This record gives sequence, C-alpha cells and structure tokens, in this order.
Amino acid sequence: NAGVTQTPKFRILKIGQSMTLQCTQDMNHNYMYWYRQDPGMGLKLIYYSVGAGITDKGEVPNGYNVSRSTTEDFPLRLELAAPSQTSVYFCASSPRSGTYNEQFFGPGTRLTVL
Amino acid sequence: DQQVKQNSPSLSVQEGRISILNCDYTNSMFDYFLWYKKYPAEGPTFLISISSIKDKNEDGRFTVFLNKSAKHLSLHIVPSQPGDSAVYFCAASWQGAQKLVFGQGTRLTINP
Repeated sequence: NAGVTQTPKFRILKIGQSMTLQCTQDMNHNYMYWYRQDPGMGLKLIYYSVGAGITDKGEVPNGYNVSRSTTEDFPLRLELAAPSQTSVYFCASSPRSGTYNEQFFGPGTRLTVL
Repeated sequence: DQQVKQNSPSLSVQEGRISILNCDYTNSMFDYFLWYKKYPAEGPTFLISISSIKDKNEDGRFTVFLNKSAKHLSLHIVPSQPGDSAVYFCAASWQGAQKLVFGQGTRLTINP
C-alpha cells in the first residue's frame, strides 16, 4: 500500500492563479481531511469528507474548495491564490470516524504564493 | 480560540534521559487524545493515544499521562534517543466530532 499520496510536492504560484492539490489514498478509508500548517503553528483543518459525495468545512475553509467523487480521491482547489495561502498542506485519511481512529497523513505539499 | 495548547515551542534533552512534552486543553468535551510525531519534509505519524477513561497508556518507550481535572496530558519518552528528534503534536477529539484539534507542536531535540 502506498498509503496517502499527495502531488505536487512543491509549487510556486503567482497571486491570482489557481491550482488543485491532489490527494489519493489506497486504504479504502471513508474519512479524508485537508490541513494547512503555517510556521510555528499547529495543523488547521480546511475541509473534510466522511464519504464520497459528502464534504464539510473545517476551521479555515475560506479561499478553498473540495470535492469527493470517489473514496480514493480528495482534491483541494485554490481559487485566486493569495500570499496568506502560503503554507504546507497535508491530506489525511481515517478508516471511519476520526474520533477513535488515528489519521494517516500524506507527505505534504509546500505551496508558496508570490 | 486555541482549544489545545502546547506552551513549549521547543525542548532539548540529553540522549538517554527522559523527555516530557506537555499539552493543555480547554474543551471539557474532549475525551480522546493523540500524539503525533513529525519529521521535516514528512507528514505527521501517529505515536500513541489515550481515552479519557484511562489516566495512563504505555507503548514501549512512550507513555502518555492524562490528568482530566487539570485538563492536562503529557508524553514521556524514556530513554530518549537521537531518532526521537522531531516535532510532536498533541491532538484531541470527542465522540461524534469526526475530526481532530491539534496543538501548535513542540520541537524536541535529543543531544548526544
């Protein structure tokens, strides 16, 4: 199993550009999550999904969109990139409720918006 | 509103000694707590967890203690090894929450 994979590893965007961060898991997990980590800060939840076709906002959803058409994939879309979106983005998955099962994380995407 | 707080941004410990990482929380609804470890350029990996019905959970060199009255938990690493140098995140959740709330992290450095 590859676990949770994320692409790209690094990306530099100009202000106003858009991009999609890809996340795929091969563990047949129902729950998937997107976090961002800013320097010196913890992980902030952007969006999460409890199954295909179901998504919900986390703590910091503004400026992002998600979709979940399959169990495996959970892409994160940035529209009109801003410098405040410079961060490291982590995707995670969990077999069922995130409450009593640990989440498995991907390696992250480092995004810089200039 | 920081519901999970790790007040020490960094900690330096001699190899072979005990490392103690602390975490405080404010939300009384939290009933499940986890520790994650993160190396540079990698995603966090699960280390150990504890349910609120326990006050201690052990896994090899790692022990987590939970003090519900003080809303405080700690991670003990004994003995500390150079490979333990990483950032450690405390996280909390409650039944039905479907998500975790993370602390800011503590960077642990183990010195030879």
